[in-house]
Amino acid sequence: GENVEQHPSTLSVQEGDSAVIKCTYSDSASNYFPWYKQELGKGPQLIIDIRSNVGEKKDQRIAVTLNKTAKHFSLHITETQPEDSAVYFCAARVGPGGSYIPTFGRGTSLIVHP
Amino acid sequence: NAGVTQTPKFQVLKTGQSMTLQCAQDMNHEYMSWYRQDPGMGLRLIHYSVGAGITDQGEVPNGYNVSRSTTEDFPLRLLSAAPSQTSVYFCASNPDPFNPNEQFFGPGTRLTVL
Repeated sequence: GENVEQHPSTLSVQEGDSAVIKCTYSDSASNYFPWYKQELGKGPQLIIDIRSNVGEKKDQRIAVTLNKTAKHFSLHITETQPEDSAVYFCAARVGPGGSYIPTFGRGTSLIVHP
Repeated sequence: NAGVTQTPKFQVLKTGQSMTLQCAQDMNHEYMSWYRQDPGMGLRLIHYSVGAGITDQGEVPNGYNVSRSTTEDFPLRLLSAAPSQTSVYFCASNPDPFNPNEQFFGPGTRLTVL
């Protein structure tokens, strides 16, 4: 089955700095890679996703890059703000024709210091 | 739409007691799933359902039962609670189980088994 590794487990940055979280996956058939943000006491919420036919996707201060050859994808947050502090999860999922069950990474706790 | 709702928000059980965690969604989603979240372990899939009347096991199904009699509801049953089941439980739904897209998570149930 799919195995998703996520690093680092904890990331501490100063407000205004950039933050990068990296994930690797094992199943070359995976074709959908979402990122979820979980604030304290709440359920995870999708913030951005990318499909395997795209190398990069941006949404304001957030971007995700995908390297299918190396089987890794990354979340980039620029100009971090204290409200970006949360736990971030990556996931990998195989679409039609394969397993539809996403596999999650173990999460990264991002702390943005004012 | 209320989205995905879970009850209760908090629960304390004694070892050996049974209980049902409720999950409901009003988005007419076919796919529903249950995860448990433990520190440093990320989100682990317990059981899932691709439609009414269909359920299957995930990564950590032991000690849990599910049923899916309607599209809206997907309860999780603990038949004989054990301290190892102390965790935060999340229910999630997805409009199409056979295509990769966003999962919608409920707010979670924090369960403590003494």
